[in-house]
Amino acid sequence: DTGVSQDPRHKITKRGQNVTFRCDPISEHNRLYWYRQTLGQGPEFLTYFQNEAQLEKSRLLSDRFSAERPKGSFSTLEIQRTEQGDSAMYLCASSLGDPSYEQYFGPGTRLTVT
Amino acid sequence: GNSVTQMEGPVTLSEEAFLTINCTYTATGYPSLFWYVQYPGEGLQLLLKATKADDKGSNKGFEATYRKETTSFHLEKGSVQVSDSAVYFCALSENDYKLSFGAGTTVTVRA
Repeated sequence: DTGVSQDPRHKITKRGQNVTFRCDPISEHNRLYWYRQTLGQGPEFLTYFQNEAQLEKSRLLSDRFSAERPKGSFSTLEIQRTEQGDSAMYLCASSLGDPSYEQYFGPGTRLTVT
Repeated sequence: GNSVTQMEGPVTLSEEAFLTINCTYTATGYPSLFWYVQYPGEGLQLLLKATKADDKGSNKGFEATYRKETTSFHLEKGSVQVSDSAVYFCALSENDYKLSFGAGTTVTVRA
């Protein structure tokens, strides 16, 4: 068990560019979650997957954001036409599912939009 | 909607001091309550949890009791160590997937 991993750890991009982040969950976990954390705040829920199905999306997830988990393993989060307000830490978590829903978090991807 | 309010930091303590971090919540139902900890350079880790009123969660010398009457879940430790320096987040969940977090409290323990 190597834990949840995220790539890249840091990303600097110019406003208007597209970025994609990857999350690899703990191997036997069938649930995967994305959160966003801005400076001085706690993480905010964005979306989650049960296997490959995206079951819930927050209102925070605008049309410029899309998340996928095509084979029920790793997930990607893409932000199109980035804005300065997208600068944040993007956290991924995974959990086993019924009956254990404890979420294990990755180290995060820090996005800076200049 | 659901929300969590926790004590603002930063908090600076000497080793072996008593630590309390206050946390209160607003929820429409009967949430599960959590404390997460983030050590420097690491990801969030679950520290302890309680799933119903009057439950006490405990781990690594930390304790928190689910108080429905005061909608609180205060974190306490009787004697902190330098290694307890971290950011602590109170969180709640009313379902089995979405965590709602407080803003976090930074704790620094001096030797």
